[in-house]
Amino acid sequence: AQSVTQLDSQVPVFEEAPVELRCNYSSSVSVYLFWYVQYPNQGLQLLLKYLSGSTLVKGINGFEAEFNKSQTSFHLRKPSVHISDTAEYFCAVSRTSGSRLTFGEGTQLTVNP
Amino acid sequence: DTGVSQNPRHKITKRGQNVTFRCDPISEHNRLYWYRQTLGQGPEFLTYFQNEAQLEKSRLLSDRFSAERPKGSFSTLEIQRTEQGDSAMYLCASSSRVTSGGSTDTQYFGPGTRLTVL
Repeated sequence: AQSVTQLDSQVPVFEEAPVELRCNYSSSVSVYLFWYVQYPNQGLQLLLKYLSGSTLVKGINGFEAEFNKSQTSFHLRKPSVHISDTAEYFCAVSRTSGSRLTFGEGTQLTVNP
Repeated sequence: DTGVSQNPRHKITKRGQNVTFRCDPISEHNRLYWYRQTLGQGPEFLTYFQNEAQLEKSRLLSDRFSAERPKGSFSTLEIQRTEQGDSAMYLCASSSRVTSGGSTDTQYFGPGTRLTVL
């Protein structure tokens, strides 16, 4: 079974500052990794995913994440955040491509002016 | 194609009543998933269809919950004898194995149906 831990439930930052949202996973097998964003009263939108290949993955809206197998981590980063990045961010894993997603509890990113 | 749609967006019901939600996936997506999200938590997997076949069900899906996808297109999720603990956002997602130079098996989510049981 897989599990996901998002180490910070809330991350407040100022506009144009860099941000890192941390995600660790636990699995006995190789997994696929995802980051989704959820704006208030909306569904989830895929930011980026890691299936294989380069461990540095670039996504939409200037976000990127790095897969670290030895540390079982998949942290999300953005060098300069905007007010519009304020949202809930979820890290997720799946055992195979297309199988169920197991989500972390989410990190609320709040960007202040 | 406007993405995954879910109806209704909001549902308020009294305890003990039955409710049914509908999900229309992205056209030609053969996989359809249901998740439940309670306040302050990440989504939890409920069940998954490939075409009309229900391939996996979570232990979260009690006997009061039933899901169908009769023609391999839209899906319905029914909750019988609702309880206050059923109050949550019910999310539907779809994906496809068909590739055309793009991503495979990415799950695209709908806006969700928010259920409130009084």
